[in-house]
Amino acid sequence: DGGITQSPKYLFRKEGQNVTLSCEQNLNHDAMYWYRQDPGQGLRLIYYSQIVNDFQKGDIAEGYSVSREKKESFPLTVTSAQKNPTAFYLCASSKQGSGQPQHFGDGTRLSIL
Amino acid sequence: EDQVTQSPEALRLQEGESSSLNCSYTVSGLRGLFWYRQDPGKGPEFLFTLYSAGEEKEKERLKATLTKKESFLHITAPKPEDSATYLCAPLGYSTLTFGKGTMLLVSP
Repeated sequence: DGGITQSPKYLFRKEGQNVTLSCEQNLNHDAMYWYRQDPGQGLRLIYYSQIVNDFQKGDIAEGYSVSREKKESFPLTVTSAQKNPTAFYLCASSKQGSGQPQHFGDGTRLSIL
Repeated sequence: EDQVTQSPEALRLQEGESSSLNCSYTVSGLRGLFWYRQDPGKGPEFLFTLYSAGEEKEKERLKATLTKKESFLHITAPKPEDSATYLCAPLGYSTLTFGKGTMLLVSP
């Protein structure tokens, strides 16, 4: 079955540590996205990529980095510069073109040790 | 700045008791509006896309409608398995803006 796989499901970060969240899709979608979800808030866009080897900052990109070397993969690194990283991180993908719905993975929950 | 407000924040219904969820938005250059369902600890599941005022979409007990300033998600004769958080997200010029969601609980 086609879908989006995020791993790990739970992740713990120590002070000063960078951690990388994995996102893989086999839907043959061109566009991929990373969101952060905090309790009582809407999803907020971190980064998005509409094509391989290109990506744009979203609303809250500070303290995060991404790469898009393959169409299927869009890993997110939470760096030590992100001072409040505890959140539920969601990856999504969509077909290219105006008004295409985004389809989501089941998330990674990141916590601070 | 694009803005989205969903109401109510939480809604408790008895099984079979129909109701509506509201999504009010201020978005420049609306290109569509999406509804999602999210279960605890899971990613949002796509339900509907609405592209223009007056459009309606239906799926089982759910019907979504769109006007120029708001969208409604009507739930007819809900069942306990309809319990979830429902998110709306209008699409402006470039990216989606998500509302905070309405948490729906349907009791048997």
